[in-house]
Amino acid sequence: SYVLSQPPSVSVAPGQTARITCGGNNIGSKSVHWYQQRPGQAPVLVVNDDSDRPSGIPERFSGSNSGSTATLTISRVEAGDEADYYCQVWNSISDPVVFGGGTKLTVL
Amino acid sequence: QVQLRESGPGLVKPSQTLSLTCTVSGDSISRGSHYWSWIRQPAGKGLEWIGHIYNTVGHIYTSGSTNYNPALKSRVTISIDTSKNQFSLKMNSVTAADTAVYYCAVLGNWFDPWGQGTLVTVSS
Repeated sequence: SYVLSQPPSVSVAPGQTARITCGGNNIGSKSVHWYQQRPGQAPVLVVNDDSDRPSGIPERFSGSNSGSTATLTISRVEAGDEADYYCQVWNSISDPVVFGGGTKLTVL
Repeated sequence: QVQLRESGPGLVKPSQTLSLTCTVSGDSISRGSHYWSWIRQPAGKGLEWIGHIYNTVGHIYTSGSTNYNPALKSRVTISIDTSKNQFSLKMNSVTAADTAVYYCAVLGNWFDPWGQGTLVTVSS
């Protein structure tokens, strides 16, 4: 089955840039979606189709995808960005939906 | 704006069947080409897709087609009730490992929106 690999944790100081990666075999050929999950809350879509932002998501959130790695970039990090972040792709008919293991973003 | 809400027992005994319902508001579940999905999350762990049901004939449901996580396929059934604007999850032969927050969500190419989630504990 297809595997998406994320670092367990990323730490960044307020105002700096956080980059969260999502690795997968030839992931650049797939569309990657990113979710933010604050403690005790349901996940929220923050980036879809590699780099599009849903309505209401700050411009500080951006994404890219090429080769074997997709990246979620959060600029000018704020305390409220502290959360778990998950990547997700459509894979195949037999294994349609795959999530990454999640990355905990800590704002120092 | 579509909204989803999960409901069902919060406590299920081992070996029994977990049953949850997702009520959809703000749109008719009979229309469109969405995939009505279930996802779960054990405490402190990541998201696990359970499966989804989707329309197979244009925009009118005659019968739902389903896709399931291969790891759960033998124990899971997802069904749809267009008269109640609901879809449901049944998981049989549950164990403590099935204790989790269960979410329903709409899947187009991505999951949005999500329900608030409901905690199901498997314990005697």
